[in-house]
Amino acid sequence: GAVVSQHPSRVICKSGTSVKIECRSLDFQATTMFWYRQFPKQSLMLMATSNEGSKATYEQGVEKDKFLINHASLTLSTLTVTSAHPEDSSFYICSASVPGSNQPQHFGDGTRLSIL
Amino acid sequence: AQSVTQLDSHVSVSEGTPVLLRCNYSSSYSPSLFWYVQHPNKGLQLLLKYTSAATLVKGINGFEAEFKKSETSFHLTKPSAHMSDAAEYFCVVRGGNTGTASKLTFGTGTRLQVTL
Repeated sequence: GAVVSQHPSRVICKSGTSVKIECRSLDFQATTMFWYRQFPKQSLMLMATSNEGSKATYEQGVEKDKFLINHASLTLSTLTVTSAHPEDSSFYICSASVPGSNQPQHFGDGTRLSIL
Repeated sequence: AQSVTQLDSHVSVSEGTPVLLRCNYSSSYSPSLFWYVQHPNKGLQLLLKYTSAATLVKGINGFEAEFKKSETSFHLTKPSAHMSDAAEYFCVVRGGNTGTASKLTFGTGTRLQVTL
């Protein structure tokens, strides 16, 4: 089955640091990947849609200069949290779909980001 | 527009007894519906999907769900709960409009507790 790999699984860093999270589709090519944020005991909130070879589409209220997305290849999208602050601490999850209609999204295992 | 309502935030069952997790949806288009499971500090795993084929959908780990258009429901069931089923479950809808076909709308989640 389709596998999405996310790395790292956990990051702890100081305030002001920029953090990069990688999302890879291991056995399929994904023209579109999605980035979500999940607060404790809450559902997933879509942050942005990552499109290979073009700019990401951000959801309302998500700062594009804060959360930089790069989708340089058909198997890799990266999310960089720039100048992270404690309020950016959260669980970030990516997903991707196998191309074609009615295909479900497959999710990475998430990245727990803790900013001290 | 589309939305998902998970009627119970928390469900507790005894091991070996049936599981019922309720989900109602609203969609302007013919929806695709999914159930995902999330274990602590993990991404989401697809349990099953409905994409306008058979209304009774069988998934992994003995779970199944029935799409009832007249009731706008997509409840998740399992005949006999196992301790390993304890997790968070999300009902998810994806609209049929081309422009938003890939975006998912998540329910708020149901935490399933399984007791001995």
